[in-house]
Amino acid sequence: EAEVAQSPRYKITEKSQAVAFWCDPISGHATLYWYRQILGQGPELLVQFQDESVVDDSQLPKDRFSAERLKGVDSTLKIQPAELGDSAMYLCASSLGEKETQYFGPGTRLLVL
Amino acid sequence: QQQVKQSPQSLIVQKGGISIINCAYENTAFDYFPWYQQFPGKGPALLIAIRPDVSEKKEGRFTISFNKSAKQFSLHIMDSQPGDSATYFCAASSQGYQKVTFGIGTKLQVIP
Repeated sequence: EAEVAQSPRYKITEKSQAVAFWCDPISGHATLYWYRQILGQGPELLVQFQDESVVDDSQLPKDRFSAERLKGVDSTLKIQPAELGDSAMYLCASSLGEKETQYFGPGTRLLVL
Repeated sequence: QQQVKQSPQSLIVQKGGISIINCAYENTAFDYFPWYQQFPGKGPALLIAIRPDVSEKKEGRFTISFNKSAKQFSLHIMDSQPGDSATYFCAASSQGYQKVTFGIGTKLQVIP
């Protein structure tokens, strides 16, 4: 069964450092999402792509976060500089289209020291 | 502002019992209500979903009850099993915009 792949699974970094997360969606899925899940809370959408275009980044802290999906397939989420409050699980999800079921990857757990 | 309110935050149920998780929403534009199941170290997985044109949907031991006038919906897990121990999230979205708003989550523990 096809799955959303994410790497790394775990990342420990010091504040002010740069970190990057990678996501490979299910083949053929045009819509890709990045979520942040703080411990004990539900996921919150950071950015949504339709193919290579951003359709919603209203909750993305653009002063330090950036996301790209250059060829409309895999995607990278970057944080620079990382802050203590960025410690969370970063989840990637994909769907066939905007109104289709979202399938989540296993996530990247980030710890900022 | 929490658009989807979920309760309880934690739940302990005996094996064979019924687990009930409740959610309430505020945005009347929401028209799609999925439930996700998340095991530790894994991403959420879609469990079951309902649209407001029906009041109930059942899939195996999992049932969603929906009350449009009260803007509430709930998940019932019948004959709960230890393997059901996970965190459950209710969520909501509107068809015109697929952004999914999640509840805070309910950590379910089914004890033998």
